Amino acid sequence: QSALTQPASVSGSPGQSITISCTGTSSDVGGYNYVSWYQQHPGKAPKLMIYDVSNRPSGVSNRFSGSKSGNTASLTISGLQAEDEADYYCSSYTSSSTLHVVFGGGTKLTVL
Amino acid sequence: EVQLVESGGGLVQPGRSLRLSCTASGFTFGDYAMSWVRQAPGKGLEWVGFIRSKAYGGTTEYAASVKGRFTISRDDSKSIAYLQMNSLKTEDTAVYYCTRVPAATIAFDIWGQGTMVTVSS
Repeated sequence: QSALTQPASVSGSPGQSITISCTGTSSDVGGYNYVSWYQQHPGKAPKLMIYDVSNRPSGVSNRFSGSKSGNTASLTISGLQAEDEADYYCSSYTSSSTLHVVFGGGTKLTVL
Repeated sequence: EVQLVESGGGLVQPGRSLRLSCTASGFTFGDYAMSWVRQAPGKGLEWVGFIRSKAYGGTTEYAASVKGRFTISRDDSKSIAYLQMNSLKTEDTAVYYCTRVPAATIAFDIWGQGTMVTVSS
């Protein structure tokens, strides 16, 4: 079982907005602002989309935004496009003695 | 162009060893921490470990699932990070990605293409 909990799948129509949640604990998501989000297309390496909860790397569309409330982080994609269809993973620093970084189980986004 | 290229993957028997390499280009390798992340077939991402830059002691951290079996090292003169994997188990079968960790955060901003490691008899 993954340390961070994400929905297995979400879907939306082109032009709509969707939100993917990522729930952890006060030892990870809730305790640190080191939440990041990754997009992975089939057969490809992941790509960083959001870091430090809400910061976008250079070159990432401003349609992608991140936020956090308590132990839950969220990734919102506005103006859905066909190319957004992919798997999305959240990640967080954790103070766990057995891990320093934990990932969510991943969410499959389907653009209808 | 900023790039990471992994090599060294392949088929290996349980209990044997394998060393992966990650060759970096396009940035000052020694200024960055480097990390390894793996993905078992059809599964999610799993953090393996990282090595800090020399400026931060060059120390390492590992996930519990690999601690004591895997070792991460770096050669800044060659811009290469290594992942030495000993006592391999079938559950270590995965694509292994080399990643760069930007300063002052815990994220992975650059990823290699990945190299497949299959542990099977």
